[in-house]
Amino acid sequence: QKEVEQNSGPLSVPEGAIASLNCTYSDRGSQSFFWYRQYSGKSPELIMFIYSNGDKEDGRFTAQLNKASQYVSLLIRDSQPSDSATYLCAVNGNNFNKFYFGSGTKLNVKP
Amino acid sequence: DGGITQSPKYLFRKEGQNVTLSCEQNLNHDAMYWYRQDPGQGLRLIYYSQIVNDFQKGDIAEGYSVSREKKESFPLTVTSAQKNPTAFYLCASSRTGMDNEQFFGPGTRLTVL
Repeated sequence: QKEVEQNSGPLSVPEGAIASLNCTYSDRGSQSFFWYRQYSGKSPELIMFIYSNGDKEDGRFTAQLNKASQYVSLLIRDSQPSDSATYLCAVNGNNFNKFYFGSGTKLNVKP
Repeated sequence: DGGITQSPKYLFRKEGQNVTLSCEQNLNHDAMYWYRQDPGQGLRLIYYSQIVNDFQKGDIAEGYSVSREKKESFPLTVTSAQKNPTAFYLCASSRTGMDNEQFFGPGTRLTVL
């Protein structure tokens, strides 16, 4: 079993819709959770991080964490074609400085 | 401007050669990391370091070596023992402890000829 699982996609949504990206993790001791966006051929850039159960909003992005169910999600409201990228979920295990990355979900936002 | 730099951007290696990838950060971060990414896949941890003069193996350390002589620098050597080194190599850095989101450099694309 992988430490962090994501649906590889592609997930296709029309422009202006809400995109919902999901991630599950196996280590119940995980403390912090991150979403990165990666454009083709580029390095990942941090979008959101969340430490506590519940929702955290930043502009058009909302991260949701449910530790009991061991999943974290990212909602992108009013999706734009420029949001088309691969989204990587990362989880920090019991060793704070070792991250586990999912394989990413490819998002396509159609104009 | 604070950030992470990696060089070179593209690197070509002949069979049997060792090559060294550079990573420098001026974010004053204690922790640094090296990842490998293959097409269509996620990131796999090669090595990481939480403090100067100390580093730990990640999940795929075989065929790679690192050093951490300065806080700002964490070079990665891809040795001839690494049988399939063609990949995108990413360096990252972070603070230590709970507030430790990782920030990435632009990456080095290594191709074996």
